[in-house]
Amino acid sequence: ILNVEQSPQSLHVQEGDSTNFTCSFPSSNFYALHWYRWETAKSPEALFVMTLNGDEKKKGRISATLNTKEGYSYLYIKGSQPEDSATYLCAFFNTGGFKTIFGAGTRLFVKA
Amino acid sequence: GAVVSQHPSRVICKSGTSVKIECRSLDFQATTMFWYRQFPKKSLMLMATSNEGSKATYEQGVEKDKFLINHASLTLSTLTVTSAHPEDSSFYICSAREINRGDQYFGPGTRLLVL
Repeated sequence: ILNVEQSPQSLHVQEGDSTNFTCSFPSSNFYALHWYRWETAKSPEALFVMTLNGDEKKKGRISATLNTKEGYSYLYIKGSQPEDSATYLCAFFNTGGFKTIFGAGTRLFVKA
Repeated sequence: GAVVSQHPSRVICKSGTSVKIECRSLDFQATTMFWYRQFPKKSLMLMATSNEGSKATYEQGVEKDKFLINHASLTLSTLTVTSAHPEDSSFYICSAREINRGDQYFGPGTRLLVL
């Protein structure tokens, strides 16, 4: 059974705070890891596609790192804004069955 | 950019009827499409993987006779919820994997309400 875990489950921060959360995934048969920003009842918005060990990607105030050998990825948000409030999902792609397994998400609340 | 459409975006039906949801990749070909369902207060749950020209692969616990999937072409997959019941009310999202690069794109989702 492929298990993708995200922590923390939820996070409350003040506007301007920087924050980060974790996605853990199986370290074997790795193909890719995706990060999404997701508001309930909407389609997830793709943030990053990460494929290589050591990858670091950045988009504005949001960045992510990848460690495929130990099976984790970090998502960082610098200077959080209220509009960053959302659920951040990671999704693991494996080479075997080409499935996409989503983590449960980290629900971020940014208070003005 | 790559676009995936879903139709309908919203549907309300009576209990016992069947509902078909279409997922189309508009400007790219997709050998594989995925169907997800959102359960209350939970993340997206993979229901099945749909491969063009072959039978879909269902996840454990998903009834294949209840959720019929057809991937008739490289741009179209359909999910039919047969004999829908109120507990099938949910948000269903498809995604399509682009044939060459393997990038995955999501549709906008379909909100199903069964009365």
